[in-house]
Order: sequence, then structure tokens, then C-alpha cells
Amino acid sequence: AQSVTQPDIHITVSEGASLELRCNYSYGATPYLFWYVQSPGQGLQLLLKYFSGDTLVQGIKGFEAEFKRSQSSFNLRKPSVHWSDAAEYFCAVGLYSGNTPLVFGKGTRLSVIA
Amino acid sequence: EPEVTQTPSHQVTQMGQEVILRCVPISNHLYFYWYRQILGQKVEFLVSFYNNEISEKSEIFDDQFSVERPDGSNFTLKIRSTKLEDSAMYFCASRAGTTNTGELFFGEGSRLTVL
Repeated sequence: AQSVTQPDIHITVSEGASLELRCNYSYGATPYLFWYVQSPGQGLQLLLKYFSGDTLVQGIKGFEAEFKRSQSSFNLRKPSVHWSDAAEYFCAVGLYSGNTPLVFGKGTRLSVIA
Repeated sequence: EPEVTQTPSHQVTQMGQEVILRCVPISNHLYFYWYRQILGQKVEFLVSFYNNEISEKSEIFDDQFSVERPDGSNFTLKIRSTKLEDSAMYFCASRAGTTNTGELFFGEGSRLTVL
């Protein structure tokens, strides 16, 4: 069965520092990959998605992610973190198969310190 | 910007009571979903709904759960007899297209607390 692993439960970075959140997946085929962000008291907002083509995808809020097939990874990065980036980040995978639901990782909580 | 709206934002109920969580998906969307997130755990799929019927459901979605689209705008999740373990944040989502290439839009969630 498909699964998504986010190995880091909680990460703390200093404002202005770079960020990388890890995501590994287990799937029978190349999945579609997503990163969602959940700010406190908010719903899930799509940051970026990968379907095919260029393995480095750009998203909103200055985030990017790189798909590495050999490592079954889709890590999220940001070169300079802002205090407003403090939130919960979820990696998700899906299949190109009609209405197949997304499978989410457990999330990584990002704290930003001054 | 169109958005998915959910009500209530927070509901507290006694164990054994019925709860209905409401969602208004984006108006031109065709696929509707419920997910839940138990505190500290991952977001889990419950059910998907298309063309007025359930498309897929997870093992979590047992006989205590039901979904309905009673009119052209609302999409509801009913828990017939709540249990303590039903305490969670419930997210409604909708999508326009038929594949995962279409973005899934989530509501802000309804927090259910079962006492």
C-alpha cells in the first residue's frame, strides 16, 4: 500500500535561515506529489505540486520542492524562512486514477525563532 | 477567491450523540471529500463523493458515518452515535476535475470534541 513518511515531527529554524523538510513515499508507480501547509486555525493550503516534467517545482510563498525518483523523495525547501512560515507542513501523494484519494504524511511542524 | 466553507468551526458533544458537520464546496466543483485529523496524527481520508454517491471510502468510514448532498450546495458528514475516538478535526475538500491534476481545495476544518 502507498505510504508517505515525513521523518521530522518538529523543526525549529531561525528567521532568515534556509529550510528543508523531508518527504519520502512508497508507491507502485510514479505518483503525483503535493505539499500542503496548515497555519494555526486554518485549513490546508496547497503550496506546490509535481506531476511530470521538470523535477524542481516552484510554489507559492517562495517554496520549492525537488522530486528525486531514485530516492523516492520530494523534499520541500525555502532559502530564507520568514516568521510567518511557522505552520504545519504536509506532504501528500496521489495516483492518476480517477478519484483516488490523497495519502498524507503525518506532518512536520515548523517553528521559527528570531 | 472561491473557497470551501465549513460549519461549525468547533462542536462539543456528548458520547452517543449524533453530529452533522456541514460543508459548502466550491460551486463548480464535482468531487467532494471528507478527511479527518486526530490531534497529533496525520490527515486521513474518510470518503469521496461524486455524482450523488460515494466513490470511495476508507476503513474508518464505518456504518456510523454517512454523507449526503441534500441540495445543490451543501455536503454533510453525519456521525450517528459519536465515540470518544471520533474527536478530531474534520476537513472537507472539493475538486473540479476528475484526476489528481486538479487541486484539492480544503476548508478550514470543523473541530469535533466528544466528551
